[in-house]
Amino acid sequence: QSVLTQPPSVSGAPGQRVTVSCTGGTSNIGAGYDVHWYQQFPGTAPKFLIYSNINRPSGVPDRFSGSRSGTSASLAITGLQAEDEADYYCQSYDSSRSAYVFGSGTKVTVL
Amino acid sequence: EVHLLESGGDLVQPGGSLRLSCAASGFSFGTFAMSWVRQAPGKGLEWVSILRSSGSNTYYADSVRGRFTVSRDISKNTLYLQMNSLRVEDTAIYYCVKMKGMDYYNYAMDVWGQGTTVTVSS
Repeated sequence: QSVLTQPPSVSGAPGQRVTVSCTGGTSNIGAGYDVHWYQQFPGTAPKFLIYSNINRPSGVPDRFSGSRSGTSASLAITGLQAEDEADYYCQSYDSSRSAYVFGSGTKVTVL
Repeated sequence: EVHLLESGGDLVQPGGSLRLSCAASGFSFGTFAMSWVRQAPGKGLEWVSILRSSGSNTYYADSVRGRFTVSRDISKNTLYLQMNSLRVEDTAIYYCVKMKGMDYYNYAMDVWGQGTTVTVSS
């Protein structure tokens, strides 16, 4: 049971906008801890995608964006492309567990 | 270029021990916190442990505390994970991860190794 809850899957047609939600609680996202996002293709290591809620590392396309509000965060992909089909994970810190925690992961499918 | 290369994964019996290594290059290894993150077959990501840049502060997930020990050798630019009393549920790909940020509670995981596979089975 993951501390941060994500939908198992989301899908969209090429060019569409999709969002992936990440719902936490008062001991993690709601406590003000930053949310980070990672992209993982099958059989490969996760890749750093979004940090500190809204920031993109260099090299990450600007069609990826992040936001945070209250006890939740979201990853948005605008202008969805076939190469965006992957698993996406959110991550934050949880003070009640004194641990870094991940979301359950969301598979994004491009129709 | 920043690079992390794990090694040491193997098939081990329940109750056994294993030591993973992570060779770092391309950055000042001793000035960054480093973590281990694992992923069980077909499952999501689970943070395992962190070694802060001081080298003396270590923290662990409840699932491994008391059994796993993280350490480093700065002279070799290498991070280690000593795993004792291994259980079937420790079976996973183990990733070495470089941490980014100014604040421990808000660290992000900006560089990942390719992972090494640990299988615990009789």
